Parts: sequence; C-alpha cells; structure tokens
Amino acid sequence: LAKTTQPISMDSYEGQEVNITCSHNNIATNDYITWYQQFPSQGPRFIIQGYKTKVTNEVASLFIPADRKSSTLSLPRVSLSDTAVYYCLVGDMAINNAGNMLTFGGGTRLMVKP
Amino acid sequence: NAGVTQTPKFQVLKTGQSMTLQCAQDMNHNSMYWYRQDPGMGLRLIYYSASEGTTDKGEVPNGYNVSRLNKREFSLRLESAAPSQTSVYFCASSGRDGEGNEKLFFGSGTQLSVL
Repeated sequence: LAKTTQPISMDSYEGQEVNITCSHNNIATNDYITWYQQFPSQGPRFIIQGYKTKVTNEVASLFIPADRKSSTLSLPRVSLSDTAVYYCLVGDMAINNAGNMLTFGGGTRLMVKP
Repeated sequence: NAGVTQTPKFQVLKTGQSMTLQCAQDMNHNSMYWYRQDPGMGLRLIYYSASEGTTDKGEVPNGYNVSRLNKREFSLRLESAAPSQTSVYFCASSGRDGEGNEKLFFGSGTQLSVL
C-alpha cells in the first residue's frame, strides 16, 4: 500500500493559486494518483487523476515528477467555495484489478479567506 | 442514474443494538467499499468487495460484518453497537467515468450515533 503524506492544513486568500503537495514514496508501478475534495457532511468528490507528468482539467492541474514519489494539486484562483478538505489517494484503479484496498490519508484542510 | 445510494441517512442506536447499513449502486461497478469518518478525521476503510460474493477486510474491520448480496448491493452490519462506532459511514463504488478516469463514487453518508 502506498502511504501518503500531506500537510494537515493550509490557508489562502481569494484569487490566489494554491498548491498542495502529497508525498507517496513507495508508489507502485500500476498506481494512479487521484485527488478528491470533501465538504462537510458530504462524501468526497473526484477532482483530478494522473499517472505521470501533468494533467489539467477545468478545475485543477496535477503535477507529477518523473520519479512519481510526490504529486502537487494546483488550484488556480481559489474562491471561498474552495474551502474544503483535499485528499490524495494512490492506488491501482484498473478495472481488471478491481477491489484494491484503497485507503485515504488524513487530507489537507484548505481555508480560503476573503 | 442515481449513483450510490445509502440508507438510512441518520440513525441513533443504544449500546448493544444491532443494525444494517444499506448501500446500492446502479453503475454496474464490480468494486464496492465501506469507509468510516470520525469528526475532523480522514476516511478509514472498513471492508471492501472486489466482486459479488467476495469481501475483504480493510484498515478497521473489527466490530463489523459485510455482505455483498449481488453486484448492486453491499451492506454493512453492526452486530453489537458501541459508542466508539459513532461516526459517519460512507459507501463507495469504483469504476470509470465518461472521461476515462478510474475513480471512487461516494454515497451521501449515514450519520450514526451510538449512545
């Protein structure tokens, strides 16, 4: 199992770019890196997923260095509504390896201030 | 297409009572999971199921049993509830979305209080 380590909390201001880094030193060859966002009283929601290099979608970018031992979630121009807990999940998500033991770390609590 | 549906949304039990949390998904996913989340903490995996008829222990299985009744349904049972099991319980299934991402789809959770 690839254990993940993230900062416990971060503060930012509206309009700033926020970068949250996750360490996963023992990531396996078949593991993907997936980030989730969780608001209070809700289940986690998918943000972005990647295997290597850079991935970008309409809400975030994910940077993964060549050794894949860490990853950085980048949120451009955050707003108050981005205040949430962000989780990095590392695991083999392939359909043909269904049912892997997918475990979450403690997450990063992001507070966006006006 | 409802996704992952959990029932009930709220439940209060007395110590020693039993109950079953229900979870169903309509996305034809093979894998399903049960997590618990204590206040201010991250999610911890209780049990998971790779396919109908198979279940495996997660990080914190003690005090729980599960049943993968069919491909759609994965239930979590507390045989003798304890105050330490007060938590929010999330069910999830894993599969591919329309953009090719393999991801977890979560239900809305069951808030359980054991007095």
